Amino acid sequence: SQQGEEDPQALSIQEGENATMNCSYKTSINNLQWYRQNSGRGLVHLILIRSNEREKHSGRLRVTLDTSKKSSSLLITASRAADTASYFCATDILTGGGNKLTFGTGTQLKVEL
Amino acid sequence: EAQVTQNPRYLITVTGKKLTVTCSQNMNHEYMSWYRQDPGLGLRQIYYSMNVEVTDKGDVPEGYKVSRKEKRNFPLILESPSPNQTSLYFCASSFRTSGRPSTGELFFGEGSRLTVL
Repeated sequence: SQQGEEDPQALSIQEGENATMNCSYKTSINNLQWYRQNSGRGLVHLILIRSNEREKHSGRLRVTLDTSKKSSSLLITASRAADTASYFCATDILTGGGNKLTFGTGTQLKVEL
Repeated sequence: EAQVTQNPRYLITVTGKKLTVTCSQNMNHEYMSWYRQDPGLGLRQIYYSMNVEVTDKGDVPEGYKVSRKEKRNFPLILESPSPNQTSLYFCASSFRTSGRPSTGELFFGEGSRLTVL
């Protein structure tokens, strides 16, 4: 099964509302990253939060990390139609072979006018 | 311009015909990785490489091979493609941060859509 699982799988909101997506994972991590993907395109990095950080901001994005619960959340404030995309969390874990960055299944966000 | 370049972007092939998807990055990144994306399954890692001549299996390596002879290139080889390898493939690269090993921000290529008939 996936290391990271996003919740919800799909989210539909009105422009101007906030969107919250959650990510849960199974094993200890070095860092957790959030990515955005417009339909069929390559993923674009949004924000990285290290295992010793609890919260991070970037523009309209706010990410929290709770390592005791093995979970993270991505909040997009004042959403816009252009935020419509799929959002993925990815966890960086250290294995015997090196670092592995494993993605979840994603949340599809639709922001309607 | 910093980028990850994949070729071909689109390919239709037949079962058993060997093919290679090339990936090249111009950012001097140590870490490179291949993913496949299928509906409902998200991105699954095929192989990754920590540096030149260092590669390791990801979660779905069966039916694929990789090599890392140069830092900038990380080709994905399908020796005998089968229909279940029909997918959207992404190559990505990253620096490895100093100190405790970890992967930094991944830069993705635009994807290669492969269909195996």
